[in-house]
Amino acid sequence: DAGVIQSPRHEVTEMGQEVTLRCKPISGHDYLFWYRQTMMRGLELLIYFNNNVPIDDSGMPEDRFSAKMPNASFSTLKIQPSEPRDSAVYFCASTPRLGGTDTQYFGPGTRLTVL
Amino acid sequence: KQEVTQIPAALSVPEGENLVLNCSFTDSAIYNLQWFRQDPGKGLTSLLLIQSSQREQTSGRLNASLDKSSGRSTLYIAASQPGDSATYLCAVRPGMHNTDKLIFGTGTRLQVFP
Repeated sequence: DAGVIQSPRHEVTEMGQEVTLRCKPISGHDYLFWYRQTMMRGLELLIYFNNNVPIDDSGMPEDRFSAKMPNASFSTLKIQPSEPRDSAVYFCASTPRLGGTDTQYFGPGTRLTVL
Repeated sequence: KQEVTQIPAALSVPEGENLVLNCSFTDSAIYNLQWFRQDPGKGLTSLLLIQSSQREQTSGRLNASLDKSSGRSTLYIAASQPGDSATYLCAVRPGMHNTDKLIFGTGTRLQVFP
């Protein structure tokens, strides 16, 4: 398997623009997570899905952020409108289950810069 | 509220040294604890996972210990190599329910120089 795939790897946009980040989880993994990493706040969970259904979105910072998982092999994280404080690295991760020994597999991340 | 702290924030050592990275957490009621490695510009890779009932886990030159009662975990790296240079993060899972999320520390940035 190719692992978790994220696109784009880098995104530079201007304040106010819509940004869409994409993720393809590992095949057969029932859980998908979106994280954000910044120097100030470290790694934070934004939202996660189980079998394409959002389970916990309490980490989504505000209504400008939305995430969807239309099928088991694809998820998007959208920011509209984007702001400079959204600049961060966004990671997607997946895992087959949330059992005791199951770890999460991370994608390479999307580095977002909002000017 | 569970908080995870890692000390030191950065560490630079010569090749061959044995070293210890520290992770502390405020609530001892955890389900498991993991150590991850993050290389620059890349995602996280799981190194070791310790269940709450375990005291330690080993993988090659890495050994992770867990002391729940004191809220501490250590990652021991033996005979460090330049290839070990990376950021190391620990993460705690508070419980076994689907709603129990991983809580990450801020990491220790390790540099091993030849």
